[in-house]
Amino acid sequence: GDSVTQMEGPVTLSEEAFLTINCTYTATGYPSLFWYVQYPGEGLQLLLKATKADDKGSNKGFEATYRKETTSFHLEKGSVQVSDSAVYFCALRSNFGNEKLTFGTGTRLTIIP
Amino acid sequence: DTGVSQNPRHKITKRGQNVTFRCDPISEHNRLYWYRQTLGQGPEFLTYFQNEAQLEKSRLLSDRFSAERPKGSFSTLEIQRTEQGDSAMYLCASSPNRGHQETQYFGPGTRLLVL
Repeated sequence: GDSVTQMEGPVTLSEEAFLTINCTYTATGYPSLFWYVQYPGEGLQLLLKATKADDKGSNKGFEATYRKETTSFHLEKGSVQVSDSAVYFCALRSNFGNEKLTFGTGTRLTIIP
Repeated sequence: DTGVSQNPRHKITKRGQNVTFRCDPISEHNRLYWYRQTLGQGPEFLTYFQNEAQLEKSRLLSDRFSAERPKGSFSTLEIQRTEQGDSAMYLCASSPNRGHQETQYFGPGTRLLVL
């Protein structure tokens, strides 16, 4: 079945550091890929998405590129801020008419000033 | 606020009791989803509605769980004879019916604790 493997956390970085959170997936065909973020006390929010190979999703300075050859969708940001502290979830949705999202376990990110 | 709303936000119950959660999706969103999230894990899919029709159910949805969306608007998730293993965050999401690529918008969740 479909699965998502995410970089284990927690991750602690200093402000303005470069961020990478690794995500790899297993799925049949060409799934759509997502990064969701959960800020403290809030619900899950879509951060970015990519629906086909080589697509780059971007939002709020975050980027992720859909790499079919390595089945990866790593999240990056060039300069993190304290306000980026949250839990980040990588997810996929199959393109075989199945509507469910399959999530990774989440990576807790803490940015210290 | 026109986002997905869920009630109650927190529920504490004793083992063996029944509980019911409500989800109000974003207005005009035809699709509605329920997920369960346990501590330290990502959300796991439970079930999905398109309008009032329940189209998918996960194996996680045992016989003690039932979900309804009677008029294609709000949805309820009922757990009968709760067990301690049911303690989790129950998330609802909705999306418009404009194709397969539509984003799912999540509510804040209902946190259930079974004593």
